[in-house]
Amino acid sequence: GAGVSQTPSNKVTEKGKYVELRCDPISGHTALYWYRQSLGQGPEFLIYFQGTGAADDSGLPNDRFFAVRPEGSVSTLKIQRTERGDSAVYLCASSPRGPPGEQFFGPGTRLTVL
Amino acid sequence: QQPVQSPQAVILREGEDAVINCSSSKALYSVHWYRQKHGEAPVFLMILLKGGEQKGHEKISASFNEKKQQSSLYLTASQLSYSGTYFCGTAAGGNTPLVFGKGTRLSVIA
Repeated sequence: GAGVSQTPSNKVTEKGKYVELRCDPISGHTALYWYRQSLGQGPEFLIYFQGTGAADDSGLPNDRFFAVRPEGSVSTLKIQRTERGDSAVYLCASSPRGPPGEQFFGPGTRLTVL
Repeated sequence: QQPVQSPQAVILREGEDAVINCSSSKALYSVHWYRQKHGEAPVFLMILLKGGEQKGHEKISASFNEKKQQSSLYLTASQLSYSGTYFCGTAAGGNTPLVFGKGTRLSVIA
């Protein structure tokens, strides 16, 4: 079956702009996670959804970051007023159930803020 | 708190064994191991829940010592396909997010 997909695969934007990153989880997976990965680092947790609601958003670095999952499937990570330090690979993962289950990662979106 | 992985990098010849360690300063509920090849998404290897069990996946196995808050990943008779960066992710509770270490880069050469 289809895995987790993320679009776009690459996004280049200018400092101060707004971006949206999309994640399509595996069908039927109720849990969805967003991570950020910088070069040479492990994935850094941002937010976790169980169904439509954000079960844990403790990893969002500040109020410029926001994520939604309105119908319990597709999720969008939104970043306002982007900064150069936001440049990273943004990974999405889904799971059939909540933690501590196996997570299936998507290929990521590489965000570059100039 | 981020777990500490060791070594940071290791080079093996095909057929050799390796051990990758993951240590935390906090009490752990679970340890998760993933492998990521360059430019690809992390791929799940195994989960260990507190209880000291050892799990296996092909020629890759792992142990979890909850008293020491440590986990070790054992790779035996390594193959070229084992090359990649191995991450451990730790969770302090059953419903808490994973905190990943910085990874161990494993290179297997012929």
